[in-house]
Amino acid sequence: EAGVTQSPTHLIKTRGQQATLRCSPISGHTSVYWYQQALGLGLQFLLWYDEGEERNRGNFPPRFSGRQFPNYSSELNVNALELEDSALYLCASSFTPGTSGYEQYFGPGTRLTVT
Amino acid sequence: QKEVEQDPGPLSVPEGAIVSLNCTYSNSAFQYFMWYRQYSRKGPELLMYTYSSGNKEDGRFTAQVDKSSKYISLFIRDSQPSDSATYLCAMSGYNQGGKLIFGQGTELSVKP
Repeated sequence: EAGVTQSPTHLIKTRGQQATLRCSPISGHTSVYWYQQALGLGLQFLLWYDEGEERNRGNFPPRFSGRQFPNYSSELNVNALELEDSALYLCASSFTPGTSGYEQYFGPGTRLTVT
Repeated sequence: QKEVEQDPGPLSVPEGAIVSLNCTYSNSAFQYFMWYRQYSRKGPELLMYTYSSGNKEDGRFTAQVDKSSKYISLFIRDSQPSDSATYLCAMSGYNQGGKLIFGQGTELSVKP
């Protein structure tokens, strides 16, 4: 069974530009989560999408946004990039929480570098 | 004070040793507890998942949850060099809106 996939693997952008990151969940999973793992800050929750709707967002500015498509894949957009946005962006997927537990399975991540 | 505290290490042990990794937390509403393993520059891999208190064993790994003490542990028996990685505890509850709250991670090195 294929795991969570993310693209691209690496992304280099200039401050002020926009970045788009993509995620495909495990087949059968309807929830997609985005986390940021910045050096020294650990994994921070960004967004949760389930059945095409944004269900929750973490303590990040509005320039972090995303969406979930009808096939449950997801896109994270980061506008007006700042140097501190440089991090590993991780996508995870699960069944809808509460229906089959809370296990989240992570993809390999997209490393975003802002110069 | 962070919601989840985890000693960042690094922790270095000889091959074959029993490793004990721990996290403490402050939110009594947490019900779901997980351990992830993350190799350098890779995504976290789910190792163990436990609901509420108790023990769970899977091969060389044992997870323990003590909700009364707000303390969770992961034990690795017969540790191998391939176990060298960062271990992250994570937890959540019904009122967390899908969010996992992670510890800072413990860096483990198993020496041959």
